[in-house]
Amino acid sequence: ETGVTQTPRHLVMGMTNKKSLKCEQHLGHNAMYWYKQSAKKPLELMFVYSLEERVENNSVPSRFSPECPNSSHLFLHLHTLQPEDSALYLCASSQVHQGEYEQYFGPGTRLTVT
Amino acid sequence: GESVGLHLPTLSVQEGDNSIINCAYSNSASDYFIWYKQESGKGPQFIIDIRSNMDKRQGQRVTVLLNKTVKHLSLQIAATQPGDSAVYFCAENLGAGGTSYGKLTFGQGTILTVHP
Repeated sequence: ETGVTQTPRHLVMGMTNKKSLKCEQHLGHNAMYWYKQSAKKPLELMFVYSLEERVENNSVPSRFSPECPNSSHLFLHLHTLQPEDSALYLCASSQVHQGEYEQYFGPGTRLTVT
Repeated sequence: GESVGLHLPTLSVQEGDNSIINCAYSNSASDYFIWYKQESGKGPQFIIDIRSNMDKRQGQRVTVLLNKTVKHLSLQIAATQPGDSAVYFCAENLGAGGTSYGKLTFGQGTILTVHP
């Protein structure tokens, strides 16, 4: 295990549901990331929080809403999703430090939208 | 746009052989590269990294080679074992660009299968 945990590991939701994904890092890092991993596509960066401030939002639809209450926790709030949003959602963390870009990943949440 | 890509989507080897996984990148400003391993049901795990001021770096059973002239990155795994079977991703950092956090761009991945 990498010190980054994600819950739930699996989630099935309807298009009208509201759910949240949770990520927690136990590494003392101060930057956290959400990625989407779809079959046969590279990892897509969704959001970045650095020092608890959102610093990156890669044209993600508003039905995805991130929240970072502190440097150890990151949430992804989901509402009115579409079937094409079904994917593995990965959380990662890193230590903000010049020249150090290694990110540590959690196991992911497998999301299925029905 | 800039991208990171892999030459081969799949690689099959026999246990004990050496494996070489390749990656091409197109952004000459990239200053840092990482190889990740992703096993089924798990998130990507860090294997080894290399900075742009180096051309080779060795770890335990793994070596990363960087050829900036042709923008090519490779991962060599010595004495490949069945436990090495996984998807391998290369990722590049597109230069700090004024940011203090890492912004990685990932390749599609290569599936490595090791036969006993």
